[in-house]
Amino acid sequence: NAGVTQTPKFRILKIGQSMTLQCTQDMNHNYMYWYRQDPGMGLKLIYYSVGAGITDKGEVPNGYNVSRSTTEDFPLRLELAAPSQTSVYFCASDRGWSGANVLTFGAGSRLTVL
Amino acid sequence: AQSVTQLDSQVPVFEEAPVELRCNYSSSVSVYLFWYVQYPNQGLQLLLKYLSGSTLVKGINGFEAEFNKSQTSFHLRKPSVHISDTAEYFCAVRDIDTGNQFYFGTGTSLTVIP
Repeated sequence: NAGVTQTPKFRILKIGQSMTLQCTQDMNHNYMYWYRQDPGMGLKLIYYSVGAGITDKGEVPNGYNVSRSTTEDFPLRLELAAPSQTSVYFCASDRGWSGANVLTFGAGSRLTVL
Repeated sequence: AQSVTQLDSQVPVFEEAPVELRCNYSSSVSVYLFWYVQYPNQGLQLLLKYLSGSTLVKGINGFEAEFNKSQTSFHLRKPSVHISDTAEYFCAVRDIDTGNQFYFGTGTSLTVIP
């Protein structure tokens, strides 16, 4: 059981380039999330999805896009990379509506924009 | 929306000494409370959670936390720390009424000194 898998683990981008961070979970979880983690700032929610075909903005969505075509996959797209998007990105998932569910996190993707 | 405060950004402690990491949240409505731990270069793992019942909850690796509704606090404690406890610790709150979003604190970096 792999849990939540993120790729790539590390990436360096030039300003203006685009890329997609991949996230896959094999737990049949309905809810999936993308967070970014910056030093001293904790985790900020970028986008989340409550099921295939449904996505919604979190606290810091600007500069990012997501899609959820299947239950398993929730890719995060950066269209025009900016230095402010240098961060560690975490994908997470949980079963759904019960608040008692806990988040399962991926190992993270460290992105540097130069 | 909730806000979660972890007042101590860094906590150094000697090995085998006790430690308390503080967490306060803003709203006293019904909530679920969590502590996550992040070891270097890894994703977040669940340490413990409070859903209901006894206000003292026990987690993995000898950690425990106490829910105090009147003080809106959920402090994490361990009576004797080990070198391997060196990590970043995050407190998280989930409103029962809006169960689709976690609110994270900014984290406390625990360093255990030999």
